[in-house]
This record gives sequence, structure tokens and C-alpha cells, in this order.
Amino acid sequence: GEDVEQSLFLSVREGDSSVINCTYTDSSSTYLYWYKQEPGAGLQLLTYIFSNMDMKQDQRLTVLLNKKDKHLSLRIADTQTGDSAIYFCGFDNYGQNFVFGPGTRLSVLP
Amino acid sequence: SAVISQKPSRDICQRGTSLTIQCQVDSQVTMMFWYRQQPGQSLTLIATANQGSEATYESGFVIDKFPISRPNLTFSTLTVSNMSPEDSSIYLCSVGQGADGANVLTFGAGSRLTVL
Repeated sequence: GEDVEQSLFLSVREGDSSVINCTYTDSSSTYLYWYKQEPGAGLQLLTYIFSNMDMKQDQRLTVLLNKKDKHLSLRIADTQTGDSAIYFCGFDNYGQNFVFGPGTRLSVLP
Repeated sequence: SAVISQKPSRDICQRGTSLTIQCQVDSQVTMMFWYRQQPGQSLTLIATANQGSEATYESGFVIDKFPISRPNLTFSTLTVSNMSPEDSSIYLCSVGQGADGANVLTFGAGSRLTVL
């Protein structure tokens, strides 16, 4: 099965860029996802990348995928206090048994 | 994307009791999933709720402990039976929908259960 690692905590200053990293072991996922969980809420899809791509940009979000190193990252430009949340990388394993990483808690300092 | 309503949003329960969580979706969906998120942890899939047949449970989860109903394409329930403090978690309902080939999961807000 998929083993996924993420740093548990990240602190950045407001206005700086945040980079959240995710490493995985099983490369069978067709798409790779980033989800955000705000306090007291369920998970919200932020963005996803097709496994044959190495980069996707969506406004302030940039996803980088290095399939050789099995490394996925999410960069948030101009981080705001509203970005404080837990971020999960996710893998769909061809649409079966969706697997999530342990989550990175992002704290944005004023 | 689908809109999911879950209730209760939170509850405090006594050891040995059972609680049923309801999940209502605003559109018909084929795949509905139930996840558990223990305090400070990631999400673990409990089961896939299938309309018209028994739910499919993941390793470590059994029907006697987590019975699931799926009477139609917009509704499902998860019961947490004979609760113990170890069952204190957030339980999340989710639906899967295709989006440009991707399998996007949409989540309810979750039901936070505390077992005393």
C-alpha cells in the first residue's frame, strides 16, 4: 500500500511563500491531490495534478511533481492568515482506496 | 460539486451506547465513503457505502461495529456501536465525482464524537 510522509508543522510569515512537501512510495496513482482542512471543517479540494505532468499552477498555488523522486509539493505564494489550516496530499490509486498523507499544519504569523 | 450535509455536527456520548450519523447529498452519487479522523491524525477509510448492497469495509473495520445503510443515491448513515473512548474521532462522509478524469472527493463538515 501507499506510505506517505509529510512534515507535521510549518510556520511562515504573512506575505512569504509556503512550501508543503509530500513523499510517497507507490506511484500507481493517476492523479495526485492537495486538500485543505480548516478548523471544524471537512476537507476541501485545493488542486490536483495528473501523474504525467510535472507542474500545475492555479492562481497562488503551484504544484510540483517529481515522479523519479516520488515527491509532490504545494507552494502557496503570498501566504495569508486565511491559509492557516492542515494540508493533506492524497492519492487515488486508480479511483480506489483513496489514501491521504498525515497532514501538515500551516501556521501563518502576522 | 456536490453539497453534503452531515448531522450531528458533534455529540458527547456515554460508553456502551451507539450513535447514528446521517449524510445527505444534494445530488445522486454512486460512491459514498465514510472516513474516521482520530485526534491529530489523518483520515482513514472505514467503508464504501454501496446503494442496494452491503457496504465494503476496509481492513480493521467490521460491520458489527460500524453498520452502514445506503437506502438511495443521496443518503447514507453510519452507526458507531457500543462506543468506547477510543471511538472519539471525527467521522466524515464523502462522495466521489469525476472531474476531467480526476476522482475528486467532496467531504461533509464531519461529526465530532466524544465518548466519555
